[in-house]
Amino acid sequence: DTGVSQDPRHKITKRGQNVTFRCDPISEHNRLYWYRQTLGQGPEFLTYFQNEAQLEKSRLLSDRFSAERPKGSFSTLEIQRTEQGDSAMYLCASRGLRDGLNTEAFFGQGTRLTVV
Amino acid sequence: SQQGEEDPQALSIQEGENATMNCSYKTSINNLQWYRQNSGRGLVHLILIRSNEREKHSGRLRVTLDTSKKSSSLLITASRAADTASYFCATPRGNNRLAFGKGNQVVVIP
Repeated sequence: DTGVSQDPRHKITKRGQNVTFRCDPISEHNRLYWYRQTLGQGPEFLTYFQNEAQLEKSRLLSDRFSAERPKGSFSTLEIQRTEQGDSAMYLCASRGLRDGLNTEAFFGQGTRLTVV
Repeated sequence: SQQGEEDPQALSIQEGENATMNCSYKTSINNLQWYRQNSGRGLVHLILIRSNEREKHSGRLRVTLDTSKKSSSLLITASRAADTASYFCATPRGNNRLAFGKGNQVVVIP
């Protein structure tokens, strides 16, 4: 396991369809984060898991968005009834412990969503 | 408002020159981090500077932190074409989530 994996890398969907993205964090990392990044902007926090518990959700995460991390390993982010404004890069990051201290965040390559 | 806000810049420099970019933030922090993002890719952690540090080096990178001015700078020395990327500063918030600025786009011309 060399890093955080995200699947798919690219997704084009029609408005109104549902999409699901997957993130596989670094295996020993118990903290997992989802971010969204639009063109020309920095990433914006969406939600945070510690193990399987979803401990924080941004107000950006509308009721059309849901995220899970059922076994404290991989995570999924689902968007229902997609809108054109959902077009963005969705980034996953994980963190663990090294020598008792939090590591830096390790990011996946992202899933680029285009809603047409 | 989001913490970790760079002076949004687009820098275009010749290979071998130095590139400097700045970041300001609004509240107290424990540390400040810099990330690099190549076009259409994920972010890569470059360097973390703690609030009790004033300067930190990592290879060709030099980061400064001025907590009195709530600002940080990232200097890339002897730039290379491979340094072409967007650079973001980020500050930790609750649950160690990161607040990012808009980024600085750096183009190094061979």
